[in-house]
Amino acid sequence: SQTIHQWPATLVQPVGSPLSLECTVEGTSNPNLYWYRQAAGRGLQLLFYSVGIGQISSEVPQNLSASRPQDRQFILSSKKLLLSDSGFYLCAWSGGLADNEQFFGPGTRLTVL
Amino acid sequence: LAKTTQPISMDSYEGQEVNITCSHNNIATNDYITWYQQFPSQGPRFIIQGYKTKVTNEVASLFIPADRKSSTLSLPRVSLSDTAVYYCLVGEWDNYGQNFVFGPGTRLSVLP
Repeated sequence: SQTIHQWPATLVQPVGSPLSLECTVEGTSNPNLYWYRQAAGRGLQLLFYSVGIGQISSEVPQNLSASRPQDRQFILSSKKLLLSDSGFYLCAWSGGLADNEQFFGPGTRLTVL
Repeated sequence: LAKTTQPISMDSYEGQEVNITCSHNNIATNDYITWYQQFPSQGPRFIIQGYKTKVTNEVASLFIPADRKSSTLSLPRVSLSDTAVYYCLVGEWDNYGQNFVFGPGTRLSVLP
């Protein structure tokens, strides 16, 4: 069976510090991978998605970046965090053609102080 | 990317049937429609998926008209534990492959 892992579960960082959130998927190959952010009380916002190693598409201009160094690894980064980066970050994966179902990780709650 | 439109919030009482409609006017031929449920501080959970007409599972029903420009999630006899945000998702293709766009979600409050 497939599983998706995210870490850390919670993170408190000062403004201006760097960020690295990691997501890994097990039990599947060549998944589509996604990073979402959810601000408190708001809907999900797609940040990045990737259809393969080294292929990243950005949906929202911001100070965040994403990388996919391996097939089942997706990393969300920032060089300098802003207060507005606080939120709940979700990683998700989906299968191939005409497969609309996404599977979500447990999420990382980031607080920037 | 195609966008979806849902009511921001809905209230219901225990035992009632709840219908949440999502508009997706720019849905593409190969797109499927998927609904998710999300509780606070948790990732979204798959509810149901369909392409056209009606789909039913043990949790909900999904009604899709012939033009597929909207869909309605039907939750039979809701309980307090159904209080959550419900998202409508439509598959989308672009130059990179398949992409998905979440709607703003509908916050359902079930009252006793």
